[in-house]
Amino acid sequence: AQSVTQLGSHVSVSEGALVLLRCNYSSSVPPYLFWYVQYPNQGLQLLLKYTSAATLVKGINGFEAEFKKSETSFHLTKPSAHMSDAAEYFCAVSGGNQGGKLIFGQGTELSVKP
Amino acid sequence: KAGVTQTPRYLIKTRGQQVTLSCSPISGHRSVSWYQQTPGQGLQFLFEYFSETQRNKGNFPGRFSGRQFSNSRSEMNVSTLELGDSALYLCASSLLAGGNEQFFGPGTRLTVL
Repeated sequence: AQSVTQLGSHVSVSEGALVLLRCNYSSSVPPYLFWYVQYPNQGLQLLLKYTSAATLVKGINGFEAEFKKSETSFHLTKPSAHMSDAAEYFCAVSGGNQGGKLIFGQGTELSVKP
Repeated sequence: KAGVTQTPRYLIKTRGQQVTLSCSPISGHRSVSWYQQTPGQGLQFLFEYFSETQRNKGNFPGRFSGRQFSNSRSEMNVSTLELGDSALYLCASSLLAGGNEQFFGPGTRLTVL
């Protein structure tokens, strides 16, 4: 069965600092991997996706993630945090016989201090 | 191109009632999935529809049901509401079924009293 683990339910960084949100997955088949962001009282917005092409994936708003099969990881990074990045971030996996079903991690709330 | 729309945005019901939520996917998208989001359980998959057929179902009781119409619009129904059904219900659409990126609507916030 597929699963996702996000390390750290809360992460706090200073404005301008590196953002690193961790995601590890478990999948018996080559996975599709996604990062979504959710602002208060809104739905989920897709930041980026990995679908077995390049292992370094660039997304919107300056975010990127690297797929590391040997570590079963798909960590999300951004070189310089902005106040507007404060939100909840979800890592998700799909693929194989799960079809279009997305399996989400528990989420990481990112706070950005001025 | 308009995004995924969900109606209503907010809903208050009492225990034992039933509720119907509606989702209109992005134009041209034929797959619609539903998710429940709660503080305790996080985001959980309810079901996926493609071309009016349910392709996949999550681990929810039979009180939760859905359907998809020929224009790809989808509805989900929850009967005999329980307090624990209070949640944000999110609909997502994708171009095709299975494994591709999904675009989410703003959700319907259901409160059961």
